[in-house]
Amino acid sequence: LAKTTQPISMDSYEGQEVNITCSHNNIATNDYITWYQQFPSQGPRFIIQGYKTKVTNEVASLFIPADRKSSTLSLPRVSLSDTAVYYCLVRRHALNFGKGTSLLVTP
Amino acid sequence: DTGVSQNPRHKITKRGQNVTFRCDPISEHNRLYWYRQTLGQGPEFLTYFQNEAQLEKSRLLSDRFSAERPKGSFSTLEIQRTEQGDSAMYLCASSLEGSYNSPLHFGNGTRLTVT
Repeated sequence: LAKTTQPISMDSYEGQEVNITCSHNNIATNDYITWYQQFPSQGPRFIIQGYKTKVTNEVASLFIPADRKSSTLSLPRVSLSDTAVYYCLVRRHALNFGKGTSLLVTP
Repeated sequence: DTGVSQNPRHKITKRGQNVTFRCDPISEHNRLYWYRQTLGQGPEFLTYFQNEAQLEKSRLLSDRFSAERPKGSFSTLEIQRTEQGDSAMYLCASSLEGSYNSPLHFGNGTRLTVT
């Protein structure tokens, strides 16, 4: 199973763009890259998923370089409610989430 | 689509007692997963089902833990002879598997406290 590495924590001010990078050096050909968001006392929530290049939805963008050994979750103009833990997963099926990146957004 | 439902939301039990949690997945989802999460850690995989078949179990799933999905719909997770180390959030997720890119949909978990 592909192992991922991402920063333990990040801080940002409201209104800024936040980029969280995840490295996954041994990603397999069939693996998709999936990001989840988790608030305290809730289950993780799917944010975005991609295979290559760029994916954008109403919440975030996901940038994946050609070698697919890393990916960057981009959150535009964060608000206080974006304070959460963000997990990067490279999955073929069930696996552990790791510790994720704890994002703190302050005024 | 009512999402993944887990019951109860909270459970307090004394050490040595048995507890059972229930998960109702999204109705058309054929895969169902159980995870455990402790404070400051990400969810840890316990086991998953494809329909009624339990296809994989983590080594975290000791002999005291058993999971079932008898008709391929809801699932139960039972912990026998609970220990204080079992205190955690137990999360259930479901997905529709048929390709590699089906994301997991999580419930809000059952928080277990063993006293």
